[in-house]
Amino acid sequence: GNSVTQMEGPVTLSEEAFLTINCTYTATGYPSLFWYVQYPGEGLQLLLKATKADDKGSNKGFEATYRKETTSFHLEKGSVQVSDSAVYFCALGGATNKLIFGTGTLLAVQP
Amino acid sequence: DAGVIQSPRHEVTEMGQEVTLRCKPISGHNSLFWYRQTMMRGLELLIYFNNNVPIDDSGMPEDRFSAKMPNASFSTLKIQPSEPRDSAVYFCASSNSADFYTDTQYFGPGTRLTVL
Repeated sequence: GNSVTQMEGPVTLSEEAFLTINCTYTATGYPSLFWYVQYPGEGLQLLLKATKADDKGSNKGFEATYRKETTSFHLEKGSVQVSDSAVYFCALGGATNKLIFGTGTLLAVQP
Repeated sequence: DAGVIQSPRHEVTEMGQEVTLRCKPISGHNSLFWYRQTMMRGLELLIYFNNNVPIDDSGMPEDRFSAKMPNASFSTLKIQPSEPRDSAVYFCASSNSADFYTDTQYFGPGTRLTVL
C-alpha cells in the first residue's frame, strides 16, 4: 500500500544553516506530495505541495522537488531561522483517497 | 476567516466517561476530516465527510467512537466509554473538496484529550 518514510529527528541546526529533511514514498499511480508544518501548540498547516513529477513546490524559502525516479520529495531551505523550529510532515495523496502522513521530523534551530 | 475551530482545546476525563469533541469547519468547505495524533502511531485519519455524508470511517478504532456531521458548519466526534488509550490530540481539518490528490486540508488547533 501507499506509505511515506521520512528521516527521524530531532534535527538540530544553528541559525542560517542549510536544512534537508528527507522524504521517500511508495505509491501506486501518480500521487501528489505535500509538506505540512506544525508549530508548537498548533495544528498542521500546508507548507508546500507538488502534484506531478518534476514539479517544485516552494514557500517561505522552503523548496521540495517531486522526483519520480527516486520516489523522493526532500525538503530544503538554504538558511534556517529560529522561527522555523517546528515538526515537519511529509504526506502523500493518492489512489487510496486518504492523505498518508509520515511520522514527522522535529526541527530545532538554535540562535 | 476564523479558520477551523475546535472545542474544547483541552479535556481531562476519567475512564468510562463520555467525551464529545466539536469542530466548526471553514465556511464554504465541503469536506471534513477527523485525525488522531499520538507519539506511538503518529497522525491517523479516523473518518472523513463530504457534503455532510461520512465517506470513509475505516480509521475509526472501534464502536466506542462515533462521528456526526448534522450540517455543513458543525461536526462532533464522540467517545463512549472513554479509555486511557484514547488519550491523544484530536484534529479536525476541512477542505473545499474531497480530492486527496491535490487539495489542501486546513487543520484546527486540536483538542488534547487525557483519559485518567
